[in-house]
Amino acid sequence: EIVLTQSPGTLSLSPGERATLSCRASQSVGSSYLAWYQQKPGQAPRVLMYGTSIRATGIPDRFSGSGSGTDFTLTISRLEPEDFAVYYCQQYASSWTFGQGTKVEI
Amino acid sequence: QLQLQESGSGLVKPSETLSLTCAVSGVSISNGGYSWSWIRQPPGKDLEWIGYIYHSGSTSYNPSLKSRVTISVDTSKNQFSLRLTSVTAADTAMYYCVRNSYSTSWYPDYWGQGTLVTVSS
Repeated sequence: EIVLTQSPGTLSLSPGERATLSCRASQSVGSSYLAWYQQKPGQAPRVLMYGTSIRATGIPDRFSGSGSGTDFTLTISRLEPEDFAVYYCQQYASSWTFGQGTKVEI
Repeated sequence: QLQLQESGSGLVKPSETLSLTCAVSGVSISNGGYSWSWIRQPPGKDLEWIGYIYHSGSTSYNPSLKSRVTISVDTSKNQFSLRLTSVTAADTAMYYCVRNSYSTSWYPDYWGQGTLVTVSS
């Protein structure tokens, strides 16, 4: 099983700041088999990125994804109030597994 | 507009079978461009993929749950279902039904709101 480790566990930032979230895989997942999700309290996760760097429909361009192999990054260029949430990475190269999440808090 | 609505028993006794159904509206479950998943999240814990199914009935399951899981599809009702046998307290979780899209492989792209299932006597 591919284990995904996200860091940091919590990111404390202010609106307008840049957020950089990391996702590290225990083995290579290639360059096109990683997705990112946003989850707000009491809501289902929402897909932000897939194929590592492809924004899902309706996702603003302040969100970007990068990486390959075992190291991946989600960047939020300028945090908006609605961006404070928990973010999960997920790999779908071999079965499916999720990271444990990074909470972005004000 | 796409909607996924989970339904089923919210309380299941240990050793019994958990059964959930996901009613899909806004898209035909027979659409070959999608597959359909179950994903769960125990309270305060990580997301865990359970398995997915194609409209043809072909399935793929999480190896750690495979011996206890059955996912089925009913195209006439535009819904798919989950059965998980021999449940324990560790199966207590929010259960989400999810639509998958394809980009190099299947990935979950739209989630239902989820239904909480508690395993307790």
